[in-house]
Amino acid sequence: GAGVSQSPRYKVAKRGQDVALRCDPISGHVSLFWYQQALGQGPEFLTYFQNEAQLDKSGLPSDRFFAERPEGSVSTLKIQRTQQEDSAVYLCASVESGPIVNEQFFGPGTRLTVL
Amino acid sequence: LAKTTQPISMDSYEGQEVNITCSHNNIATNDYITWYQQFPSQGPRFIIQGYKTKVTNEVASLFIPADRKSSTLSLPRVSLSDTAVYYCLVDGAGGFKTIFGAGTRLFVKA
Repeated sequence: GAGVSQSPRYKVAKRGQDVALRCDPISGHVSLFWYQQALGQGPEFLTYFQNEAQLDKSGLPSDRFFAERPEGSVSTLKIQRTQQEDSAVYLCASVESGPIVNEQFFGPGTRLTVL
Repeated sequence: LAKTTQPISMDSYEGQEVNITCSHNNIATNDYITWYQQFPSQGPRFIIQGYKTKVTNEVASLFIPADRKSSTLSLPRVSLSDTAVYYCLVDGAGGFKTIFGAGTRLFVKA
């Protein structure tokens, strides 16, 4: 594709619901990042994949957050039992090769609102 | 991971040159300095990256002094469409975690 795509663009969930956010990286990009961006703040790192391997998940705020990239392309960020503090924009970025000296290509984000 | 410090906000007028300075006192030898731009309701977009001295592309210039403890992003002749948040990042070998910080909100006025 032309760029990184994310779906849905907007998601409203009731507190306690589970949500799944999808990221389609640029074809052939090896690395994939997930970020959480609260209103007025910079993106905060959540997790990193190199192909299908999740090499860093230190930024996931709790065990309610889970990410996967089973075939090394599309990735899904799942949030279980959503809480109001999970309301944010979730950004996905992909990189052509390794993370060193990288140019990250970002998707438009999914805006999650938890009521 | 090296921490970065940037001004919270800056104002400018169309046609002026804008310089945004970022401090990164604890930068490591193998760290690169990268700048991103973010418009509302969009993901960040890569602007420029450098290791030392000066780097220039069609969008901006990046000045890095010899001690590499700071860097300056220079935007020539800004327009209203340059109103955005600009992030300075320091990253390199040894880790995958990318730290954006709060960024600098640039507001360009007519």
